[in-house]
Amino acid sequence: AQTVTQSQPEMSVQEAETVTLSCTYDTSESDYYLFWYKQPPSRQMILVIRQEAYKQQNATENRFSVNFQKAAKSFSLKISDSQLGDAAMYFCAYRISGNTPLVFGKGTRLSVIA
Amino acid sequence: DAGVIQSPRHEVTEMGQEVTLRCKPISGHDYLFWYRQTMMRGLELLIYFNNNVPIDDSGMPEDRFSAKMPNASFSTLKIQPSEPRDSAVYFCASGEGYEQYFGPGTRLTVT
Repeated sequence: AQTVTQSQPEMSVQEAETVTLSCTYDTSESDYYLFWYKQPPSRQMILVIRQEAYKQQNATENRFSVNFQKAAKSFSLKISDSQLGDAAMYFCAYRISGNTPLVFGKGTRLSVIA
Repeated sequence: DAGVIQSPRHEVTEMGQEVTLRCKPISGHDYLFWYRQTMMRGLELLIYFNNNVPIDDSGMPEDRFSAKMPNASFSTLKIQPSEPRDSAVYFCASGEGYEQYFGPGTRLTVT
């Protein structure tokens, strides 16, 4: 079975600094997708970034970027120039190709210190 | 588009009562997912549909839970009878292609 592990239950970062959230996954599939979702206190699940496993280039969305290491099955999220609005739970998620269910990690709670 | 719509946003009920959660997916999406979020188990899939047909209901905890999708624009998740351990946030998500779009969730409290 596919599993997603987030080893950092909580992280904190100073405003304007950079923070990296870790995620590892286990799968025997070769074609899959990885995601980072943000869940603020409003509990809305917001897609932050997506990575296709067949792409070697790391995905980037403005201040958010990933470090995708396929052989190591590692998928970390880097947030640059952290802002107070980045404070939230962050979930790493995986799914195989096609619109199949997401498998989530347990989440990392990120605090941003002014 | 209004996004995925869920109702109610909050539900408080007593143990033994029937609870019905509702979801309206984004128009044109042919996949619909029900997830549950708890502190202990995190986010987990309950059931998902493709073109209104249930594909995988292995995450439905027990016979007290049932889900239907009578048409492309509506789905329900029913719990009968409800128990305190069913207290959680229930998310509906719809999708096509790469993405899944989540509704705002229903926070269910069973006392």
